[in-house]
Amino acid sequence: DIQMTQSPSSLSASVGDRVTITCRASQSISIYLNWYQQKPGKAPNLLIYAASSLQSGVPSRFSGSGSETDFTLTISSLQPEDSATYYCQQSFSLFTFGPGTKVHIK
Amino acid sequence: HLQLQESGPGLVKPSETLSLTCTVSGGSTNTSKYYWGWIRQPPGKGLEWLGSVYYNGGTYYNPSLKSRTTMSLDTSKNQFSLKLSSVTAADTAVYYCARILVVVSNWFDPWGQGALVTVSS
Repeated sequence: DIQMTQSPSSLSASVGDRVTITCRASQSISIYLNWYQQKPGKAPNLLIYAASSLQSGVPSRFSGSGSETDFTLTISSLQPEDSATYYCQQSFSLFTFGPGTKVHIK
Repeated sequence: HLQLQESGPGLVKPSETLSLTCTVSGGSTNTSKYYWGWIRQPPGKGLEWLGSVYYNGGTYYNPSLKSRTTMSLDTSKNQFSLKLSSVTAADTAVYYCARILVVVSNWFDPWGQGALVTVSS
């Protein structure tokens, strides 16, 4: 089984800050990595697919990078509406989600 | 615009079988372009993929739940279903259905709004 870890588990940042979330796979997954945003009481929403491709309709302040085992999600200028939990998900072998990173606005 | 909607009992007794249906509107399930999947989220916890079903009936299950999981697809009704047997309180969760694109980096999009299922006597 492929295990996914994320760091940090939570963070607090100010509006306008640059925020980076890291996701690591227990083995190489090429670019089979997607990112989701989930707000309380809502279903997850796809942000980034194939490690770095921005889903249609997602603000350009979101970006993804990485390959093999190490990936990052970056929010270039944090906005109040970005307060949410972010999950990575691998699809190299079946599907596994990371544990999530909760982003708070100071 | 594709939409998915989960339906089924919100309360299931321990040891019984949880049954949910996902109804797809705005698109067809009878296509080789997508899988159709189930994901759950226990209260206050993270996401867990349960399994996926393909248009030809092929299934893939989470190994940790495989012995208790059955999924099927009815293309004539544009619905797919989940059955989870011998449930316990640990199966209490919001259950989501989602479409999975059959390409590199298969991703889940869109998702249903989710259905809370509580396991309790």
